[in-house]
Amino acid sequence: ETGVTQTPRHLVMGMTNKKSLKCEQHLGHNAMYWYKQSAKKPLELMFVYNFKEQTENNSVPSRFSPECPNSSHLFLHLHTLQPEDSALYLCASSQDRDPNTGELFFGEGSRLTVL
Amino acid sequence: GQNIDQPTEMTATEGAIVQINCTYQTSGFNGLFWYQQHAGEAPTFLSYNVLDGLEEKGRFSSFLSRSKGYSYLLLKELQMKDSASYLCAVLDSNYQLIWGAGTKLIIKP
Repeated sequence: ETGVTQTPRHLVMGMTNKKSLKCEQHLGHNAMYWYKQSAKKPLELMFVYNFKEQTENNSVPSRFSPECPNSSHLFLHLHTLQPEDSALYLCASSQDRDPNTGELFFGEGSRLTVL
Repeated sequence: GQNIDQPTEMTATEGAIVQINCTYQTSGFNGLFWYQQHAGEAPTFLSYNVLDGLEEKGRFSSFLSRSKGYSYLLLKELQMKDSASYLCAVLDSNYQLIWGAGTKLIIKP
């Protein structure tokens, strides 16, 4: 139990579907992150939110749309995805973004399969 | 470009010692992290090194040489539960975390 909860744990969707991934952290942290993890590849940072404001968008395609209604919740809205988007999507939080001390608390991830 | 290299997979025997290496080339350096990730689970923090030398924490130790751009994670008295992926990450001069692809460690009885 890391204090970061992600739902759903598994998701299968077609390329025309719309779905959302949810993340909730119970640690009182101010920064939240979305990462993409593909097999045998480094973690790819997608989005960063600090105090509910998006501070980074690492050239992520617009078919991924993040939402952060408050410091405890983070969503990733998905629409018209491609098969190459199939991966494990990890949510993480940290006490603060600036300065970033680097210690992240991760959720267990949402395994996404796009058919 | 920025790069972190670590072996893709390693195999070791229960009760033995294993060393997982990580070399990095980054724009600046503000610390190096090791995370452990069991299959299907969240990565969890293991260690943080920002100064040269060895940091020991129970059966796990982490070493850093900034001049060589090199770190290793040393696991002693290996247990079956140590089977996992070990991720190396460096905090660069912009405080961005640069990740390696991870090393899958397989422990055999």
